[in-house]
Amino acid sequence: DTAVSQTPKYLVTQMGNDKSIKCEQNLGHDTMYWYKQDSKKFLKIMFSYNNKELIINETVPNRFSPKSPDKAHLNLHINSLELGDSAVYFCASSQDGGRRTDTQYFGPGTRLTVL
Amino acid sequence: QKEVEQNSGPLSVPEGAIASLNCTYSDRGSQSFFWYRQYSGKSPELIMSIYSNGDKEDGRFTAQLNKASQYVSLLIRDSQPSDSATYLCAVEETSYDKVIFGPGTSLSVIP
Repeated sequence: DTAVSQTPKYLVTQMGNDKSIKCEQNLGHDTMYWYKQDSKKFLKIMFSYNNKELIINETVPNRFSPKSPDKAHLNLHINSLELGDSAVYFCASSQDGGRRTDTQYFGPGTRLTVL
Repeated sequence: QKEVEQNSGPLSVPEGAIASLNCTYSDRGSQSFFWYRQYSGKSPELIMSIYSNGDKEDGRFTAQLNKASQYVSLLIRDSQPSDSATYLCAVEETSYDKVIFGPGTSLSVIP
């Protein structure tokens, strides 16, 4: 059984397009995250949701909009894609993003290439 | 923005040797520390978590934490070629209930 799943695995698109990445976790976790890993492999948090509520919103362009329809799902929509958006996007989840940060479980990643 | 620093490597060790990976962090209030392993083209997976000063052992892996020096390390004993990966140090940033990842150290175990 896949704990954290993402679709699609690969996404190739033209500049200016709008695209979405979906994430689902079946671990019963309360908190979900989106990370961006660039070509230098630096893993940087973008957003975090706890029980469908946005709790972390890093300095990410507002072209990126997360949506959490329920606590098992966190989707990422990107408008007007730019070349610099090319990266691997990881979804992750943890039991509770409370006072002590818990282990995060990562999805397989979505490799986005903007042409 | 709090920082987490690691030597980027690559770190090369012969098979059977001890690999030592180091990490320093700037947030004095951090209480949770993690080591993740990431194989090329794969997602990060947790190897060890440590919350108290001292050593924590799990099989061939030992995590060491020194909060006074703001330093956390990972030792891999009897290194195997299958240990070749990038190792990410992650530190809790207390102000925002989030984890900051270091840039990772690339480890190569030579048979």
